[in-house]
Amino acid sequence: RKEVEQDPGPFNVPEGATVAFNCTYSNSASQSFFWYRQDCRKEPKLLMSVYSSGNEDGRFTAQLNRASQYISLLIRDSKLSDSATYLCVVNNQGGKLIFGQGTELSVKP
Amino acid sequence: DVKVTQSSRYLVKRTGEKVFLECVQDMDHENMFWYRQDPGLGLRLIYFSYDVKMKEKGDIPEGYSVSREKKERFSLILESASTNQTSMYLCASSWGAGANTEAFFGQGTRLTVV
Repeated sequence: RKEVEQDPGPFNVPEGATVAFNCTYSNSASQSFFWYRQDCRKEPKLLMSVYSSGNEDGRFTAQLNRASQYISLLIRDSKLSDSATYLCVVNNQGGKLIFGQGTELSVKP
Repeated sequence: DVKVTQSSRYLVKRTGEKVFLECVQDMDHENMFWYRQDPGLGLRLIYFSYDVKMKEKGDIPEGYSVSREKKERFSLILESASTNQTSMYLCASSWGAGANTEAFFGQGTRLTVV
């Protein structure tokens, strides 16, 4: 079993749609959690950290469920510019960052 | 701005060659990483370093070694390049082991082994 697993995708949605990405992790000692965004032919960049209480940044909401070892990302009112690959990332003990395989999102007009 | 610089954007090497990929960061980060990224497989961790001269194997260390003689520089070495090592290689750095440590990436090196 992979240490971090994501929905396989791709997700093709119309502009304005709400889309949710899910991620599970296997190491219960994992310390911190993130969502990264990667545009085509570019390096990954931090989208948002994920806190136990859940957190929101504009149209983006991240949730963490430690008991179920599950992380989610919700994007509301999708824009064309949201088209990218979204990567779930887990920081294990000692600072090692493990990435999920990524989920591709394509937002269509 | 944090900067992580990889020495080459594109490399073409022959099978059996020894290949060095260099990465330098300017933020005094403790942690440095080497990943490879392949279609459908995402980023897979090759090696991780949490301090000078300290390293830890990632998920796919076979065929690779690393060197971290100075805090700002982390080198990935392919001892004898093979065609299955053709890939995009990404270097990253981050602060220490505390929570919410953002990783910053270099622009990647696309290596082709022929």
